[in-house]
Amino acid sequence: GAVVSQHPSWVICKSGTSVKIECRSLDFQATTMFWYRQFPKQSLMLMATSNEGSKATYEQGVEKDKFLINHASLTLSTLTVTSAHPEDSSFYICRAAGTANTEAFFGQGTRLTVV
Amino acid sequence: AQSVTQLGSHVSVSEGALVLLRCNYSSSVPPYLFWYVQYPNQGLQLLLKYTTGATLVKGINGFEAEFKKSETSFHLTKPSAHMSDAAEYFCAVRGRNRDDKIIFGKGTRLHILP
Repeated sequence: GAVVSQHPSWVICKSGTSVKIECRSLDFQATTMFWYRQFPKQSLMLMATSNEGSKATYEQGVEKDKFLINHASLTLSTLTVTSAHPEDSSFYICRAAGTANTEAFFGQGTRLTVV
Repeated sequence: AQSVTQLGSHVSVSEGALVLLRCNYSSSVPPYLFWYVQYPNQGLQLLLKYTTGATLVKGINGFEAEFKKSETSFHLTKPSAHMSDAAEYFCAVRGRNRDDKIIFGKGTRLHILP
């Protein structure tokens, strides 16, 4: 299957700083990128959907100014958590979809801990 | 609107025993159905998917699932559990339009007893 690389796999940052998470599709063109957040022992919560070259569409309740999503190319999307707070600590996972979009290729996830 | 329900947040089976993880969906049209596995601190890995055709779908690691339209179910099975199968399993449903969102169940934690 296709490969999606997410980096970093874990990060610890101080409260008030910003953290950038990258998601790359290594062997296909990801026309759509999805970003999810997963709380401990819970399912995935869709945060936003982005199409290459367009602004991201955020789900209800997700602060777009806090979770900045960039999808400037067909192989790279980034999620920046701005002015992070301890409550932002979570597991963030990206999903890349090609034109067919019948299969979901997930990144490995990023464990963010804000101290 | 679509939804998916996974019965049982935790399932325990003995090593070598049958694994059965239940998933029921709700959809107004025949959906795409997926099962994913997640190991600790990792992303999701696709086990298998149903899109069209044969209703019994075989996946990786010896897992299979059967799409039963009459029961709106897509239960995941494996004849003989292995210790390495211990993980979180997610059932998911998606519509057939390209822009449809994938909806995940709440997950079932599979425990394998020695």
